[in-house]
Amino acid sequence: NAGVTQTPKFQVLKTGQSMTLQCAQDMNHEYMSWYRQDPGMGLRLIHYSVGAGITDQGEVPNGYNVSRSTTEDFPLRLLSAAPSQTSVYFCASSYDTGGRGLSSPLHFGNGTRLTVT
Amino acid sequence: GDSVTQMEGPVTLSEEAFLTINCTYTATGYPSLFWYVQYPGEGLQLLLKATKADDKGSNKGFEATYRKETTSFHLEKGSVQVSDSAVYFCALGGGSEKLVFGKGTKLTVNP
Repeated sequence: NAGVTQTPKFQVLKTGQSMTLQCAQDMNHEYMSWYRQDPGMGLRLIHYSVGAGITDQGEVPNGYNVSRSTTEDFPLRLLSAAPSQTSVYFCASSYDTGGRGLSSPLHFGNGTRLTVT
Repeated sequence: GDSVTQMEGPVTLSEEAFLTINCTYTATGYPSLFWYVQYPGEGLQLLLKATKADDKGSNKGFEATYRKETTSFHLEKGSVQVSDSAVYFCALGGGSEKLVFGKGTKLTVNP
């Protein structure tokens, strides 16, 4: 049972570089999301998707892009990395679909630790 | 908007002590409430949930009761173990397409 798989586990970037954080789930979940976790800040939602072809912004979307071409995959793109994007990034999915709120549990990946120098 | 406030840590207890981590919320409608746990180096895992008022969620000796009158969902365990050392997050969902998290409470249990 793979669940939610995130790659890579660790990444170091220089300021201005771009990269894509990968996220895949094998549970046929409609809902997928990206969070960043910073000390003292808890988890903050970056982007989310309620199904293939549909994405929306969360609390802190600036500097990040997402797309959802399939149900399984939800990659997060950093367009031009900045030191402020140093964080641990978590992808999460849920059975719930949009339109009536999120009341099912989220299933999390193990995270990607990103450092931008 | 919806929000969750949980007690700030860190919390340090001795093994077999009683644990309470407070969580209160602000929401419109009738949200679902969750407690997640994060062990070092891992993602968050669902610990327990409650979907309506007066529901009690329980798992691994942890319990929390959905109290609408006090807008609370406090996490309790009667006797903690060293293996319970982790960060605990209270979360709220159902009012929108987003799960709202508290900032987390780090628990350390000493032998």
